[in-house]
Amino acid sequence: DSGVTQTPKHLITATGQRVTLRCSPRSGDLSVYWYQQSLDQGLQFLIQYYNGEERAKGNILERFSAQQFPDLHSELNLSSLELGDSALYFCASSSGSNTEAFFGQGTRLTVV
Amino acid sequence: AQSVAQPEDQVNVAEGNPLTVKCTYSVSGNPYLFWYVQYPNRGLQFLLKYITGDNLVKGSYGFEAEFNKSQTSFHLKKPSALVSDSALYFCAVRDIEDSNYQLIWGAGTKLIIKP
Repeated sequence: DSGVTQTPKHLITATGQRVTLRCSPRSGDLSVYWYQQSLDQGLQFLIQYYNGEERAKGNILERFSAQQFPDLHSELNLSSLELGDSALYFCASSSGSNTEAFFGQGTRLTVV
Repeated sequence: AQSVAQPEDQVNVAEGNPLTVKCTYSVSGNPYLFWYVQYPNRGLQFLLKYITGDNLVKGSYGFEAEFNKSQTSFHLKKPSALVSDSALYFCAVRDIEDSNYQLIWGAGTKLIIKP
């Protein structure tokens, strides 16, 4: 158990809908990262937060947004969903520069 | 620009043989380097890291990696492969100077260990 909790584990939704993925980082970790992994693909970095502030943005679509709340949990909002958004979405957290990131088990999103 | 290269999409090794998964990096400052493993339908698991000190780093499941500053490499190794080592392996780097703690990831290498 990495200590990072992601909910839900699975999500099936229709095209055009909006979903929210939730991530609770390890206790004390201030950095939260979101990644997308499509079938047999590498990790695509979406966005990073540090103590509530956005720190880095990757290839995140305008239809996607995220935030980190005062209690440090984070949410990734995906709207106007398309079939191509079907993927595994991972959250990771870390506590500092020289520490490893710990990953949640991911949310498998299927858009039908 | 910061980057990580894993030049092999797939590595095939016979069980019992030594294995190497390659990783090279490019950062403007000094690197922190990490290896992760991903089993099917699972999240990434941390294997080992290089922060400072001894260039040979030992990690979980008998894996080790050697930091080579002159070649900007951090290859993952194991003396004797197991079928259960078959998985997807990712190398990542963080620039010590980066106050955002951003991680740069390689594309991943699929390791297949044949009995």
